[in-house]
Amino acid sequence: NAGVTQTPKFHILKIGQSMTLQCTQDMNHNYMYWYRQDPGMGLKLIYYSVGAGITDKGEVPNGYNVSRSTTEDFPLRLELAAPSQTSVYFCASSYSGVEAFFGQGTRLTVV
Amino acid sequence: DQQVKQNSPSLSVQEGRISILNCDYTNSMFDYFLWYKKYPAEGPTFLISISSIKDKNEDGRFTVFLNKSAKHLSLHIVPSQPGDSAVYFCAAGAGSYQLTFGKGTKLSVIP
Repeated sequence: NAGVTQTPKFHILKIGQSMTLQCTQDMNHNYMYWYRQDPGMGLKLIYYSVGAGITDKGEVPNGYNVSRSTTEDFPLRLELAAPSQTSVYFCASSYSGVEAFFGQGTRLTVV
Repeated sequence: DQQVKQNSPSLSVQEGRISILNCDYTNSMFDYFLWYKKYPAEGPTFLISISSIKDKNEDGRFTVFLNKSAKHLSLHIVPSQPGDSAVYFCAAGAGSYQLTFGKGTKLSVIP
């Protein structure tokens, strides 16, 4: 049982480039989330989804896009990367919308 | 504007003693609260939760207390073990499946 799997674990991106962070879960959870964590800060919600085909903005959505074509996958797209997007990104899923299971994170550096 | 505040960035406790981690919130609409534990280079792991209709929830060595009038919750770990050394995040939700996280408290349990 893999839980929530994120790829890649680490990545260095140049300013202006784009990339997609992958997230997949095998628990058949309807709710999925993307958070970012900056040093010394709590997790901030970027986007979330309550089911396939449904996504909504969280607290810090600017510069990101998501899609949810299947229950399992919830990729996060960064367009025109900026240094301010240097962070650790966590994907999570939840059965109830309360308790969430997190992936191991993607450490992204934009230079 | 921090809606969930963990005012102690760090806490050191001797093995076997009680660890008390505190969390304050400002949004009276929050109706459920969670604690997550995070080890370095891993995603957060759910620890325990409490609904706003309760004032205490217990799970083994972990107990969460909620004081709604003071907008304060605390996590008690008894007895503390070296494996409890981690960063603990307090999180709160208001029925919209979005969690607001505090900045975390780093707990060090000294053998």
